[in-house]
Amino acid sequence: DIQMTQSPSSLSASVGDRVTIACRASQGISNYLAWYQQQPGKVPKVLIYAASTLQSGVPSRFSGSGSGTDFTLTISSLQPEDVATYYCQKYNSAPLTFGGGTKVEIK
Amino acid sequence: EVQLVQSGAEVKKPGESLKISCKGSGYSFSNYWIGWVRQMPGKGLEWMGIIYPGDSDTKYSPSFQGQVTISADKSISTAYLQWSSLKASDSATYYCARQDAGLFHYWGQGTLVTVSS
Repeated sequence: DIQMTQSPSSLSASVGDRVTIACRASQGISNYLAWYQQQPGKVPKVLIYAASTLQSGVPSRFSGSGSGTDFTLTISSLQPEDVATYYCQKYNSAPLTFGGGTKVEIK
Repeated sequence: EVQLVQSGAEVKKPGESLKISCKGSGYSFSNYWIGWVRQMPGKGLEWMGIIYPGDSDTKYSPSFQGQVTISADKSISTAYLQWSSLKASDSATYYCARQDAGLFHYWGQGTLVTVSS
């Protein structure tokens, strides 16, 4: 089965900073990659799907890129409400594995 | 409005059985895959498996195959996750979620399962 590896596992950045999170698939998954945000105490929500398509209602400071095995989630200007754990997920075929998560905090 | 409402928190002893539920409303329950996701305390999301209520086709993560059973009753728009013999390591919050083209847009509120002697 395909494994999804995220890095870093946590990061601390200042408000306004550009933040980048990486996700690597152990085999190619084309662009069947989604990013979820889970704020503390809440259920996850889809931010990006098809590797780079922004879900409706998600702020434009979030963006995604990549294809095949290497993907990136970027927050162009970190805001206090972005404190959360971010997960990538492959969804080309079952099992629809999540990455291990990246916890983002404000410095 | 699409809603997934899960059953309440459970406290069980090791070795006991358990079945938790997820009731869908606001859409055609039979026509969308429902998945289950585990989140252990302070840890990440783990995809457990999915079921298509229309025909009960089920797919499991290798990590959970044989450890849990996923089922559904389309007549009452409800999916289930069950254990025959709980372990302490099954203590976690379990989410159900509706799958749309592979994505989980709609989530239940989560069911906290605590297994302790």
